[in-house]
Amino acid sequence: EVQLVESGGGLVKPGGSLRLSCAASGFTFTNAWLTWVRQAPGKGLEWVGRIKSRTDGGTTDYAAPVKGRFTISRDDSKNTFFLQMNSLKTEDTAVYYCTTENFWGQGTLVTVSS
Amino acid sequence: QAVVTQEPSLTVSPGGTVTLTCGSSTGAVTSGHYPSWFQQKPGQAPRTLIYDTSKKDSWTPARFSGSLLGGKAALTLSGAQPEDEADYYCLLSDSGARVFGGGTKLTVL
Repeated sequence: EVQLVESGGGLVKPGGSLRLSCAASGFTFTNAWLTWVRQAPGKGLEWVGRIKSRTDGGTTDYAAPVKGRFTISRDDSKNTFFLQMNSLKTEDTAVYYCTTENFWGQGTLVTVSS
Repeated sequence: QAVVTQEPSLTVSPGGTVTLTCGSSTGAVTSGHYPSWFQQKPGQAPRTLIYDTSKKDSWTPARFSGSLLGGKAALTLSGAQPEDEADYYCLLSDSGARVFGGGTKLTVL
């Protein structure tokens, strides 16, 4: 059974940092392209960024609103990937989902507020 | 970054057929945009229905199908069920990134 489990969400002040993790199981992690998607309260889905598999270069792509502030990385030895969020803004408040675009985690809430 | 457009809301009768579309501000949507479709019900995580234009996951009900139609990606629901009432999102590739549409709220009534 495929599982994606996010962790690391919480309350952080504007300008602060937070690191989300996504632990994966049930599929060949090393071959997977891994994506973060977020959803602000009452809003639609927003693509945040993606990391390709190492065999496909391991490169990352980001949405314009987070470029330069967010960094996606992966640890294939632990079947886990990460979203490092720096210089957080109130508009980053959202539920953050990790996904392979076929399988989805349940999401973790990030609240940016003073 | 492209703007991806979807119908804000649609209504279908039980047993009826409805087509949701997904367009791009950069021009016609092609298979090279790798269109995907997701269903989301209130309080739940999204669920993938269609990827790579028309491919289905093992859990995708047969009544859902994906295609390209008139320069857009399309999700067709044939034989709507009450449990199909949900928000539907499309996702397209754009210059190395991916972009979601604003979503379509589908009512089965």
